[in-house]
Amino acid sequence: GEDVEQSLFLSVREGDSSVINCTYTDSSSTYLYWYKQEPGAGLQLLTYIFSNMDMKQDQRLTVLLNKKDKHLSLRIADNQTGDSAIYFCASPPSSNTGKLIFGQGTTLQVKP
Amino acid sequence: DTGVSQDPRHKITKRGQNVTFRCDPISEHNRLYWYRQTLGQGPEFLTYFQNEAQLEKSRLLSDRFSAERPKGSFSTLEIQRTEQGDSAMYLCASSAQTAESYEQYFGPGTRLTVT
Repeated sequence: GEDVEQSLFLSVREGDSSVINCTYTDSSSTYLYWYKQEPGAGLQLLTYIFSNMDMKQDQRLTVLLNKKDKHLSLRIADNQTGDSAIYFCASPPSSNTGKLIFGQGTTLQVKP
Repeated sequence: DTGVSQDPRHKITKRGQNVTFRCDPISEHNRLYWYRQTLGQGPEFLTYFQNEAQLEKSRLLSDRFSAERPKGSFSTLEIQRTEQGDSAMYLCASSAQTAESYEQYFGPGTRLTVT
C-alpha cells in the first residue's frame, strides 16, 4: 500500500547540520517533496527532487535520493533557530494521480 | 499574487451543525486539492479538482462531505452534520498542470473545532 515513514524528532545545536530521513513504499513516484510547517501554519514547499536524480542542492538544503532503497533524506546545513519546525516528506503514490501521501512529520528542534 | 488563501481561518461549531470552508487558489493554477490534518499527523488527502472537474476522492470523504469548484476558480468544502471527529485543520493546495513537477502550494488552513 501507500506509505511514507519518518522519524519523529531530531534536536541539534545552532550552527550544526541536521539530516531528516524518510522512506516510501511506492516505486512509481516521479517527484518527491519536502515541506516545512511552523506552529499553526500551513505547509511551505521547501524543495523537491525528480526520481531519476540522486541529489539536489538548494542553498543550505541538500536532498539525497536512494531509489533502490526507497530512501529520501533532507540535510539542512548551518541550522538556525528559525529552522525549528515540523518537516514532512511527501510522495505521489503513482504518476497518474494528483494526491500526495505525507509522512507523519519530523519535529526539528534547533537549540541556541 | 499572494498565494493560496482560505476562509475562515478558525471555525468553532456545535455537533450536528453544517460548516462551509472556502479556498482561493493561486490564480493561474488549474488544480486544487483538499487535505485534512489532525494533531501530530501529516496531511491526509481528501479530494482534488482539475479545473471544475472533481477527479479523485478519498475514502475519508464520507457522504457528509462535499466539495465543489463550480467555475474552476475558488472551491468550497462543506461538512454536514458535523461530528467531534471532524475537528482538524483543513488545508487547501493548488498546482499548475503545466508545471512538470506538479508541486503543490498550500494555504494557511482552516482550523475546525466541533464541540
